[in-house]
Amino acid sequence: EDQVTQSPEALRLQEGESSSLNCSYTVSGLRGLFWYRQDPGKGPEFLFTLYSAGEEKEKERLKATLTKKESFLHITAPKPEDSATYLCAVQPHRGPRSGGYNKLIFGAGTRLAVHP
Amino acid sequence: SAVISQKPSRDICQRGTSLTIQCQVDSQVTMMFWYRQQPGQSLTLIATANQGSEATYESGFVIDKFPISRPNLTFSTLTVSNMSPEDSSIYLCSVKGSTYNEQFFGPGTRLTVL
Repeated sequence: EDQVTQSPEALRLQEGESSSLNCSYTVSGLRGLFWYRQDPGKGPEFLFTLYSAGEEKEKERLKATLTKKESFLHITAPKPEDSATYLCAVQPHRGPRSGGYNKLIFGAGTRLAVHP
Repeated sequence: SAVISQKPSRDICQRGTSLTIQCQVDSQVTMMFWYRQQPGQSLTLIATANQGSEATYESGFVIDKFPISRPNLTFSTLTVSNMSPEDSSIYLCSVKGSTYNEQFFGPGTRLTVL
């Protein structure tokens, strides 16, 4: 069964204190792995797509990496405005049913709080 | 990326009633989806909204409970029928990006059923 597990559930950092969020996944065939940011009361905001092991993507203070079993979202010198829930999702290879090739399976997220 | 809006943004409904949620996109998109985010849980795909044909539902979701319409390439509706308190969730529509496989999400509709 396709599954995504994110850790930790919650993370509290001081401003400037770098850390990493983990996304472990089990999927029969990976079409893509996605990172989103979700602020309270809003829909998820797309951050990155990773397609193959060894791939890395960067955006401002965020860098996402991918291995065959997990992905990391590294946050360098975070600021209070980086506080949000970060969601990881995988897109498995599938046939025409079950959303075809477009279904996203989400983890429960990591709630990040960055304090000044 | 496309700009996605949803109506209503939130609602409080009585048990046994139905609510229709609208999703409007500012450009034509090939694929639209409906997700549910229950309190403290991850997003779960309800169905793919197909333009001109019946929606494709995920396991555990049925058309009688969650009828979906998609009359054109910019608009879709999700109805939550015969609601119970267990239907209290955030309902989100998403669209597939034009370049890669990413999906972009609307702001969500927060539904509370009393």
